[in-house]
Amino acid sequence: DAMVIQNPRYQVTQFGKPVTLSCSQTLNHNVMYWYQQKSSQAPKLLFHYYDKDFNNEADTPDNFQSRRPNTSFCFLDIRSPGLGDAAMYLCATSRGTGAPGYTFGSGTRLTVV
Amino acid sequence: SQQGEEDPQALSIQEGENATMNCSYKTSINNLQWYRQNSGRGLVHLILIRSNEREKHSGRLRVTLDTSKKSSSLLITASRAADTASYFCATDHSGNTPLVFGKGTRLSVIA
Repeated sequence: DAMVIQNPRYQVTQFGKPVTLSCSQTLNHNVMYWYQQKSSQAPKLLFHYYDKDFNNEADTPDNFQSRRPNTSFCFLDIRSPGLGDAAMYLCATSRGTGAPGYTFGSGTRLTVV
Repeated sequence: SQQGEEDPQALSIQEGENATMNCSYKTSINNLQWYRQNSGRGLVHLILIRSNEREKHSGRLRVTLDTSKKSSSLLITASRAADTASYFCATDHSGNTPLVFGKGTRLSVIA
């Protein structure tokens, strides 16, 4: 089945230690998104790629970076995780930003200790 | 902020009852979508309603949209315990910008 896969499901990292979350898709969608979701809150868009074009949200901290080496993969790098970065990180894809229905991965739960 | 606001924040009902969740938004939209999220999982797309539509059905789901009031409602009829989840509305404001999600309604269906 075509899908969006996030690895790992759970990630524990130390305060200040760089961490990378990964997302892959078999849907061949043009757009890939990273959302951050804290407990009982709305998913908040960090950035998205339309093909190779990177689009950063204005309020996304510089601590967060992303890479999309090819259509299938997208990575979220957190350079120096703080306690406030503990959250669920959700990857999603769509054919276009205005295309109906995003497909989400199962998420990576990040814990910072 | 363009973020939608759902109400109620939490809803608890008995199995077999209907569940209604509401979403309000602030700026004009191209379409509005509803998503479901089981605890600790990703979101699943349920239904989309375009700005020129007033009502849409999909199985036990009924969505309405009132663009004059900038609001939408999601009705789940004959609820089941398996419907227990959080439900989010998401708005597409221009057709070429990413979705903006609301804070969600946590639905608990008690068997």
